[in-house]
Amino acid sequence: TQLLEQSPQFLSIQEGENLTVYCNSSSVFSSLQWYRQEPGEGPVLLVTVVTGGEVKKLKRLTFQFGDARKDSSLHITAAQPGDTGLYLCAAQRGYGGSQGNLIFGKGTKLSVKP
Amino acid sequence: ETGVTQTPRHLVMGMTNKKSLKCEQHLGHNAMYWYKQSAKKPLELMFVYNFKEQTENNSVPSRFSPECPNSSHLFLHLHTLQPEDSALYLCASSQVTSRPTDTQYFGPGTRLTVL
Repeated sequence: TQLLEQSPQFLSIQEGENLTVYCNSSSVFSSLQWYRQEPGEGPVLLVTVVTGGEVKKLKRLTFQFGDARKDSSLHITAAQPGDTGLYLCAAQRGYGGSQGNLIFGKGTKLSVKP
Repeated sequence: ETGVTQTPRHLVMGMTNKKSLKCEQHLGHNAMYWYKQSAKKPLELMFVYNFKEQTENNSVPSRFSPECPNSSHLFLHLHTLQPEDSALYLCASSQVTSRPTDTQYFGPGTRLTVL
């Protein structure tokens, strides 16, 4: 059973465009994380959201946690080639769970062309 | 450079070979993790160690055997693997396992191919 559904799976855009990727589930999570993974490297944490409705900004990236803590979105403004990579969302399997219960979505593979 | 190193970066082995993957973290963390990343599946947690004690084994086949001699080092011993075990094996560390919002730092992974 895929607990975290990410969409789209693939996204190819031109530099300067805006985009949004989604992470959805029917389960409630205590926290949700977004990672970016570049080819040949491990995932790198971008942000952790813990409160329903929370919005966090990291330069041109905006992260939102759904009110019901079941879903999240990542919006990138004016995408640049350096944003290219695999974007993964991850969440705790059970409420209040430890790091050992972290589950991941399959990811969105983003390609930004100059 | 995340402070987590993995060796080797690439490994090709036959089904009858025995090999080991090594992970070392230079961050002073107490928790270490092994993950498997396959092309068509989400990143899967395999094992968790907290203060050298194994706290999680996600129904991983016995042909994968982890070892954590101290909080800085983690090994994954491999024997009689199957071609479907070919994947990117990622190691990660965090301060401890009990705080869900702690950051996990990942190594670059070992790309394993089983022939």
